[in-house]
Amino acid sequence: QKEVEQNSGPLSVPEGAIASLNCTYSDRVSQSFFWYRQYSGKSPELIMSIYSNGDKEDGRFTAQLNKASQYVSLLIRDSQPSDSATYLCAVKFSMYGNKLVFGAGTILRVKS
Amino acid sequence: KAGVTQTPRYLIKTRGQQVTLSCSPISGHRSVSWYQQTPGQGLQFLFEYFSETQRNKGNFPGRFSGRQFSNSRSEMNVSTLELGDSALYLCASSSDSANYGYTFGSGTRLTVV
Repeated sequence: QKEVEQNSGPLSVPEGAIASLNCTYSDRVSQSFFWYRQYSGKSPELIMSIYSNGDKEDGRFTAQLNKASQYVSLLIRDSQPSDSATYLCAVKFSMYGNKLVFGAGTILRVKS
Repeated sequence: KAGVTQTPRYLIKTRGQQVTLSCSPISGHRSVSWYQQTPGQGLQFLFEYFSETQRNKGNFPGRFSGRQFSNSRSEMNVSTLELGDSALYLCASSSDSANYGYTFGSGTRLTVV
């Protein structure tokens, strides 16, 4: 079992809709959780971080964390074609110190 | 504030050669990590350096090595290149805090022919 798992997609949503991206992680002592966006041919860009259970909002983005279910999600409201990218979930596990473990990423396509 | 700088951006090497990639982290960041990204394997962790010491290491063969200098700049070296080493190599810097994510450089695209 992989430590961080994501559905590879592609997830297709119409412009203006809410895109919901999900990530599960293995049962290890986890510290913090991150969402990265990667456009084709570019490097990953950090868009959200979350450390405690609940929701964290930043503009059109909301990160949700449920440690009991080992689940973290990213909601993108009012999706735009410019949001089309690969979204990577990453986790810092205590046993690994500062190392970030990445999921394989979910491809998001927003259709205008 | 300058970001993470990786050089060179592109490299073409022949099988059997060796290559050295360079990374300058964000000023004040002492943690530098390296990842290999390929279409089939995603982002694979190579190693992390902190204050000139390798602190974490991924599951790559010994042909992959790295080091960090006193100014936090880092280099990674791949010896005896194989076709399968063709990938995007990403460097990321971070402050040494559990709640701090990585900032990635633009990467070095290595092609082995």
